Amino acid sequence: EPEVTQTPSHQVTQMGQEVILRCVPISNHLYFYWYRQILGQKVEFLVSFYNNEISEKSEIFDDQFSVERPDGSNFTLKIRSTKLEDSAMYFCASRTDNYEQYFGPGTRLTVT
Amino acid sequence: AQRVTQPEKLLSVFKGAPVELKCNYSYSGSPELFWYVQYSRQRLQLLLRHISRESIKGFTADLNKGETSFHLKKPFAQEEDSAMYYCALKGAETSGSRLTFGEGTQLTVNP
Repeated sequence: EPEVTQTPSHQVTQMGQEVILRCVPISNHLYFYWYRQILGQKVEFLVSFYNNEISEKSEIFDDQFSVERPDGSNFTLKIRSTKLEDSAMYFCASRTDNYEQYFGPGTRLTVT
Repeated sequence: AQRVTQPEKLLSVFKGAPVELKCNYSYSGSPELFWYVQYSRQRLQLLLRHISRESIKGFTADLNKGETSFHLKKPFAQEEDSAMYYCALKGAETSGSRLTFGEGTQLTVNP
């Protein structure tokens, strides 16, 4: 069964550095999402992406964040200048026209 | 604004006992409600949604609009049900179909 994949599984970066988290959604999916989960807290929506543009974003998704679908397969989340509070598990998800969002295994981002 | 509340962070039952994981929501429109499960070291996966009204792995959940609840139930818990369970809401009016999650309930089924 096809799955959403994410790389790397764990990323350690220094405060102020740029980081790019990568996702490969399921191939025939049209809608893409990023969520994050700070340790001990709930999963929070960051952004949704459809037809090569952002369709919705949360208040968390400020100017430090950007998303891109640079080719037909990858979907990336970039954080321009990481802060300590960006440390979290970041989940990518994708779906077709139906309701179910399929989640990737997550990337653990640690900002030191 | 949409909000999902799962009042129990931890729930522990014995094998064969009934289990109910509580979920309450706040949303002014017509929501879609979901239960996601995360087994140890695995990804989040959809367990069930209220519209389909189906039973998955013996679990059922009924949307109660009067009480704004979507509790997950299983009459006889099994050890393999031990996992983290998240209730999630999708508002009908949100263009991007964002999911709003509850805090999650860690279910442990003891032998």
